[in-house]
Parts: sequence; C-alpha cells; structure tokens
Amino acid sequence: DAGVTQSPTHLIKTRGQQVTLRCSPKSGHDTVSWYQQALGQGPQFIFQYYEEEERQRGNFPDRFSGHQFPNYSSELNVNALLLGDSALYLCASSFVGLNSPLHFGNGTRLTVT
Amino acid sequence: DQQVKQNSPSLSVQEGRISILNCDYTNSMFDYFLWYKKYPAEGPTFLISISSIKDKNEDGRFTVFLNKSAKHLSLHIVPSQPGDSAVYFCAAMEGGSEKLVFGKGTKLTVNP
Repeated sequence: DAGVTQSPTHLIKTRGQQVTLRCSPKSGHDTVSWYQQALGQGPQFIFQYYEEEERQRGNFPDRFSGHQFPNYSSELNVNALLLGDSALYLCASSFVGLNSPLHFGNGTRLTVT
Repeated sequence: DQQVKQNSPSLSVQEGRISILNCDYTNSMFDYFLWYKKYPAEGPTFLISISSIKDKNEDGRFTVFLNKSAKHLSLHIVPSQPGDSAVYFCAAMEGGSEKLVFGKGTKLTVNP
C-alpha cells in the first residue's frame, strides 16, 4: 500500500522563476494538504484541497496556488520565486472528516538561488 | 505569534529511561492535539493524538497527557529506545478547521 508520494525530491530554481511540485495521496485518501517547513521551524499550513477545490488557506500570498485532480493527486505552484521560498514542501493526505490524522510524504526540498 | 510552543529544542536520555517531551499552546479553541515524529530525509510520521475531552491517551510505549487548564500537553515514552531518536513535533487543530498548527520541534536523542 503506497503512502504519500511527492516529486521531485530536490529542486533548484532561480529567483523569479516558477515551480510546480506534485503529490499523490495515500490510497483511499481524498484530501490533500500542503505545508512549508523552513529550516529549524515546524511545518506551516499553506492550503488544503478536497473535491478539487481549495477548502482552507493559510497565511501565504497568492503566488502560492494549487490544484487537485479527479484522481485526488495534487500540484503546488509557486510563481515569482523569492529566496525566502527555499524550504521543504510537504504534502499530506487524509480522509475528510473529524480528526483524521494527516499522513505526510517525504517532501520536496526547494532551493531558490 | 506562535500558538504552539515546544520550549526545549533538544533532549537527551539514556536507553530504558523515560523521555518526556513538553508542549504549550495559547489558542483555547484548539480541541485536538497530535504528536508527530520525524527522521532526517523523511516526512513526519503520526504517533499519537488526543481529543480535548480526554486528559490521557496511551498507545504502547507512548502516552500523551493533556492539561487543558494549563494549556499544556506532554508525550511520555517508556522505555526509551535508540530508534526513538528523532525530532518530535507537537501539533494542534481547532474544531471545524483542517489546519494543523505545529511547534518548532524537539530533537530527542536516546543514548545506548
């Protein structure tokens, strides 16, 4: 039973560029959330997708956008990259509903130079 | 403003002894709390959770205690094993929200 898978594992981009990160949820899960983890910090909530719609959003600018596909997989897009966007981006999946623990992927390490 | 605080960046214990990891929160609307464990180069792994209607939840060697009046929770690991060495994150969620709010983590080292 595959868990949450993310691609790519590492990525290096230049300031001003755009990036797309991908995530496949754990089998049977229908909800995907994205988190950003800066060095020495805990993960910070970016947004969550369910039924192909953004359900909730954290305190991130509009440069961060996402999408969920009919097969529940998801993409995170970041436009106009800044140096401060360098971080580990974590995807998590769960069942919709009360208090369903999130299952995380291993993340994509993004470096912006 | 950090709503979930883990004030100890690191903790070192001997194998076989108890590990106690602490977490404080400021948002009284939080009603569900979780602990995650993270190894290097891996994503966080769910460990144990507790609802605000309980004050204790146990799963094998892991027990979480919740003190709502003090806005404090703790994770006890007994007995500690070298494989428990990892970064532990405390996280909290408000009712009706899907957003987890994490602390900065505590790095636990269990020495053989």
